[in-house]
Amino acid sequence: NAGVTQTPKFQVLKTGQSMTLQCAQDMNHEYMSWYRQDPGMGLRLIHYSVGAGITDQGEVPNGYNVSRSTTEDFPLRLLSAAPSQTSVYFCASSGGKEYYEQYFGPGTRLTVT
Amino acid sequence: GNSVTQMEGPVTLSEEAFLTINCTYTATGYPSLFWYVQYPGEGLQLLLKATKADDKGSNKGFEATYRKETTSFHLEKGSVQVSDSAVYFCALRRKTGFQKLVFGTGTRLLVSP
Repeated sequence: NAGVTQTPKFQVLKTGQSMTLQCAQDMNHEYMSWYRQDPGMGLRLIHYSVGAGITDQGEVPNGYNVSRSTTEDFPLRLLSAAPSQTSVYFCASSGGKEYYEQYFGPGTRLTVT
Repeated sequence: GNSVTQMEGPVTLSEEAFLTINCTYTATGYPSLFWYVQYPGEGLQLLLKATKADDKGSNKGFEATYRKETTSFHLEKGSVQVSDSAVYFCALRRKTGFQKLVFGTGTRLLVSP
């Protein structure tokens, strides 16, 4: 099992550009989430999904879109990047018997100039 | 609302020293409590958990006890190693609804030989 994979590892964008952060898991987990990690603020939930076709907003959703067309994939889209979106982004999944344990991907470090 | 407060870091220790990282929480009801660890350049990994009052979570020599009366979940280890250098996050999760994790801001531990 690869677990949770994220691409790319690093990305630099100019203000106003768009891009998609990819996340995939091979554990057949129903729950998937996106977090951003900023210094001194811990991890904050952006969007989450409780199954294919179902998504909802977390605490900091503005400027981000998600969709969940398959169980495996949960991409995060930045429609018009802003410097405030400079952060490290983590995808996580959970499910099955030990649904409380979230498995995190290695992260994507995004810089918006 | 739900929140987690952790001691500020960095915590700097010599190898074999005793470690305590404080964590207190505010929550409605009785949440589940977690400690996650993030090694340099990696995503978060679940270190230990406790799901009800007086439960003690333990893993890799680390321990934490769910104290309802003091709303605390302090992380302890009797003898730290250089390889324990990482950022430690305390987190809580409601027992109802989607299992959103609420994270503290993280505490960096630096262990020197």
